Amino acid sequence: DVKVTQSSRYLVKRTGEKVFLECVQDMDHENMFWYRQDPGLGLRLIYFSYDVKMKEKGDIPEGYSVSREKKERFSLILESASTNQTSMYLCASRRHRLGVQFFGPGTRLTVL
Amino acid sequence: DQQVKQNSPSLSVQEGRISILNCDYTNSMFDYFLWYKKYPAEGPTFLISISSIKDKNEDGRFTVFLNKSAKHLSLHIVPSQPGDSAVYFCAALYNQGGKLIFGQGTELSVKP
Repeated sequence: DVKVTQSSRYLVKRTGEKVFLECVQDMDHENMFWYRQDPGLGLRLIYFSYDVKMKEKGDIPEGYSVSREKKERFSLILESASTNQTSMYLCASRRHRLGVQFFGPGTRLTVL
Repeated sequence: DQQVKQNSPSLSVQEGRISILNCDYTNSMFDYFLWYKKYPAEGPTFLISISSIKDKNEDGRFTVFLNKSAKHLSLHIVPSQPGDSAVYFCAALYNQGGKLIFGQGTELSVKP
């Protein structure tokens, strides 16, 4: 059974803190993605990775970075959290470029 | 520049009736279209897809219609059930780029 897990369901951080969001998939998928979901804006792509050590900017990469040292793990880093980064963060993976994306349960991040 | 648009933020339908969710897109280069369903506090789950070379795809109670000339697709749910109450996202895929572009989502409420 397909499984994408995210390290936290809820997270509260302070402005200026460095924040790490972890995502792990157990399906040996090549591609991994980070999105944020905001009301009225749908899902917006932050960063994605087609393979280990590879990363590409999505539509809204500013204020974020990523790391993919192992195939199964894709980390999203907020270098200095700001209140406008309060959002639902969703990780996804898929086997190849035409495959269906499978999502994790999401992390609700609040930055105070 | 919203390439995929869901113009109805919400839809309310009576149990047993048909639900029709709509999606418009601007880019004629999209190759695949997908619908995802999202419950609160869960990640989106894949529902149904359609290739740009087809005009209809059916899976049980769910049917997706594609009108390429109008750059419009719709998801029909017949009959609607209370468990279908969720947010539905339309998404489009570039074959070459492999990125999914999501719409803003439509919240469906099916009333008993």
